[in-house]
Amino acid sequence: DTAVSQTPKYLVTQMGNDKSIKCEQNLGHDTMYWYKQDSKKFLKIMFSYNNKELIINETVPNRFSPKSPDKAHLNLHINSLELGDSAVYFCASSQRGEKLFFGSGTQLSVL
Amino acid sequence: AQSVTQLGSHVSVSEGALVLLRCNYSSSVPPYLFWYVQYPNQGLQLLLKYTSAATLVKGINGFEAEFKKSETSFHLTKPSAHMSDAAEYFCAVSDGNAGNMLTFGGGTRLMVKP
Repeated sequence: DTAVSQTPKYLVTQMGNDKSIKCEQNLGHDTMYWYKQDSKKFLKIMFSYNNKELIINETVPNRFSPKSPDKAHLNLHINSLELGDSAVYFCASSQRGEKLFFGSGTQLSVL
Repeated sequence: AQSVTQLGSHVSVSEGALVLLRCNYSSSVPPYLFWYVQYPNQGLQLLLKYTSAATLVKGINGFEAEFKKSETSFHLTKPSAHMSDAAEYFCAVSDGNAGNMLTFGGGTRLMVKP
């Protein structure tokens, strides 16, 4: 019955590979987000999607691309993975800019 | 495993009154603790963090939090609430290893009455 679920929880992969992290929310929210937790554990927003439109895109490399097949899903695709991409990635959702609900995080390790 | 409990999903105070937002955590190792704030229609901002230095941590906008190991608490306080403090506040915990992920509490909505 998890409100925001993301998979996988752990992802270990080689440099240069392409990978995806999936996120689904069952709250009926209209906006979904991807956050990156950096090495100091600070959260930085990467993307948000509102009704299938990208409305925030911080200075994120274009190797990262969000894909939203419908309002309940926002997947994160990463091409040509680099060592520096190793981090924890959080999905979140909200309704019209209100309170965020977080997924449990995906720890990505690039070897 | 680590977890965070924020007591009270909604807290209402009068302008000028003390703000107290409660956060209790569980962690099998010495924790890193954070408070984030989400203002209406905005993303998260870091208010303050505890990383095993001073137990009383001062953050932005007059907020502070005290780490109490014996009570496994990290409550957020501000002596005098301002209308602009109305927001959602999230407590988060992580262990000391750099790669380990944050675990968030459910959030507390602070409402400030004039």
